[in-house]
Amino acid sequence: DIQLTQSPSFLSASVGDRVTITCRASQGISSYLAWYQQKPGKAPKVLIYAASTLQSGVPSRFSGSGSGTEFTLTISSLQPEDFATYYCQQLNTYPYTFGQGTKLEIK
Amino acid sequence: EVQLVESGGGLVQPGGSLRLSCAASGFTFSNYWMTWVRQAPGKGLEWVANIKQDGSAEYYVDSVKGRFTISRDNAKNSLYLQMNSLRAEDTAVYYCARGGATLYIWGQGTMVTVSS
Repeated sequence: DIQLTQSPSFLSASVGDRVTITCRASQGISSYLAWYQQKPGKAPKVLIYAASTLQSGVPSRFSGSGSGTEFTLTISSLQPEDFATYYCQQLNTYPYTFGQGTKLEIK
Repeated sequence: EVQLVESGGGLVQPGGSLRLSCAASGFTFSNYWMTWVRQAPGKGLEWVANIKQDGSAEYYVDSVKGRFTISRDNAKNSLYLQMNSLRAEDTAVYYCARGGATLYIWGQGTMVTVSS
């Protein structure tokens, strides 16, 4: 199975900060990667697909980049509603594995 | 409104069986791959299985192969997950989601607890 490793696992930041989350794949997955946001007690919500395409309705402060084995999710200016857990998911090879998650907390 | 509603979760003993359902509305169900994803308490997301639009292809994570079966009834706009030989490590919230790869729409989840 393809392993996805997110870093950091925990991130403490302030409103207005720029933050970057990295997702590394154990083998190349081209651009077959999605990013999700999950808030406590809620289902995940897709933010980015195909590594860099912003899902309709998602604020433009979210952006994704990368291909092959290294990917990043960037939030350009954190808003209070962005404090949540973020997951990457590879869609290149079955099973479609998720990263372990990055919990973004308020500093 | 596009909506997915899971049901069928509950408490089951180890070795037991449970059938989860997911009712879809607001879109043409038969046009989409569908997926089950689970999340153990306090843990991350785990992709479980998906199924093609006409049910002709199914894929599973190794840990559930031979125990779980994904199926669908397009006439009833419903997705199912038959879970047999349940283990404590199957305890999780189970989500159904629209899509075979990127998961664009998710249900609210149904909790499955495997315990004696």
